Amino acid sequence: QSALTQPASVSGSPGQSITISCTGSSSDVGGYNYVSWYQQHPGKVPKLMIYEVSNRPSGISCRFSGSKSGNTASLTISGLQAEDEADYYCTSYTSSSTWVFGGGTKLTVL
Amino acid sequence: QVQLVESGGGVVQPGRSLRLSCAASGFTFSSYGIHWVRQAPGKGLEWVAVISYDGSNKDYADSVKGRFTISRDNSKNRLYLEMNSLRAEDTAMYYCAKDLSGHYTFDIWGQGTMVTVSS
Repeated sequence: QSALTQPASVSGSPGQSITISCTGSSSDVGGYNYVSWYQQHPGKVPKLMIYEVSNRPSGISCRFSGSKSGNTASLTISGLQAEDEADYYCTSYTSSSTWVFGGGTKLTVL
Repeated sequence: QVQLVESGGGVVQPGRSLRLSCAASGFTFSSYGIHWVRQAPGKGLEWVAVISYDGSNKDYADSVKGRFTISRDNSKNRLYLEMNSLRAEDTAMYYCAKDLSGHYTFDIWGQGTMVTVSS
C-alpha cells in the first residue's frame, strides 16, 4: 500500500488561508469518504482535526475544514494563527481493509 | 477521562522479539476497535494494525504482516502487539489509538512507547 501524497511543506501569514492536498487512488481516497486529518506539534501526540472528509470533532475550530474531489482530499485552514504551525497528516481507509497515511506536511506560519 | 497508556518499548537486537502493551481506561474498552500506529524518528505516521472490538477481526500493514500479531484481553482492558523478527526499520514510537466507531478513524491516542532495534 503506497503512502498518500502530500506536499512536504506549506506556509502562510497570520490571517491568511492555506490548503494542504492529499492525493491517493480509487482504492483509498477516491473510493471512500473515510479521509481524516491529524495535527501534530513537535514532540506531541497526533490530534484528530477532521474525519469523514469534512466532519470536525467536538472542540475543533471551524477554521479547519475538509473537502474531497476524486482521488484528492484537501484540508483548509482559514485565519491562520501562530498555534497552527505543526505537521499535518491525512489518512484514508483502503479497499484492503487497512489504513494509509500521507507523508505529512509541515505548516509554517510566517 | 479516556486514556491509553503504552508500555513495553526498549532496545532490542535485530531478529529478536518484543511485546508492547496498551492499557485503556475511561471508556468501555470491549466496545471499540483499537489500532497500532508507529512513527520512526523524524518521519511520518505509519498505520500498523487494527483489531476489532471482540478480537475476531485483525488486519495488518504489509510491512509487518507475518511478523507482528495484534491481540487484546477485554477482561483486563489491554491491547497487545507481539513483534517478532524485528528489523532496524521497525525502530519507531509505537502508539495505540482508539477507533472512532463507525467512522474509520482514530480519535484518542496514547503517549507512545519507543522501540529501538539495534545491535
